[in-house]
Amino acid sequence: GAGVSQSPSNKVTEKGKDVELRCDPISGHTALYWYRQRLGQGLEFLIYFQGNSAPDKSGLPSDRFSAERTGESVSTLTIQRTQQEDSAVYLCASSLRVAGLYEQYFGPGTRLTVT
Amino acid sequence: LAKTTQPISMDSYEGQEVNITCSHNNIATNDYITWYQQFPSQGPRFIIQGYKTKVTNEVASLFIPADRKSSTLSLPRVSLSDTAVYYCLVGDGNYQLIWGAGTKLIIKP
Repeated sequence: GAGVSQSPSNKVTEKGKDVELRCDPISGHTALYWYRQRLGQGLEFLIYFQGNSAPDKSGLPSDRFSAERTGESVSTLTIQRTQQEDSAVYLCASSLRVAGLYEQYFGPGTRLTVT
Repeated sequence: LAKTTQPISMDSYEGQEVNITCSHNNIATNDYITWYQQFPSQGPRFIIQGYKTKVTNEVASLFIPADRKSSTLSLPRVSLSDTAVYYCLVGDGNYQLIWGAGTKLIIKP
């Protein structure tokens, strides 16, 4: 079946602009996660959704970052007034349920470059 | 949240068995141990998960000693295509798994 998809695959934007990243999870997966991965580093957890709710937003780096999920499906991660330090690959994953026990299926990521 | 420690990098040769060890000294009773593999420009991919003793699937084995303070991912007869970064994670029902920098495994011909 279809895996997790993300769009765009690459995004180059100017400092100060807003960007919106999209994630389409595997159908039926109630949990959805967003991560950030800087070059050569591990994954940095940003936020997760259980259904359409995000119980804990403390992983978001600043108030310029926000995320939403609708229809227990697609999710968007929005970064306002982008800064150069926002440049990274943004990965989305989904799993059947929220838990460390459940396998996370990752999308290919969106590579964001802020110039 | 249990923190994990892995070697930064490892080298091996095609056809060899590779063992990557992960330390997780403060693992909790309910925590499971999960390993992911990540190729360049791709998202991580689940390899194997276990709680104690030994787990084996079609691609790897996971060895966990009785005290569960470490775990070893074993890749039998590696090939060039096994060159990747391998992440060890520890967690239970907690959604916020901590991802370290992983182990960069390089397989040479």
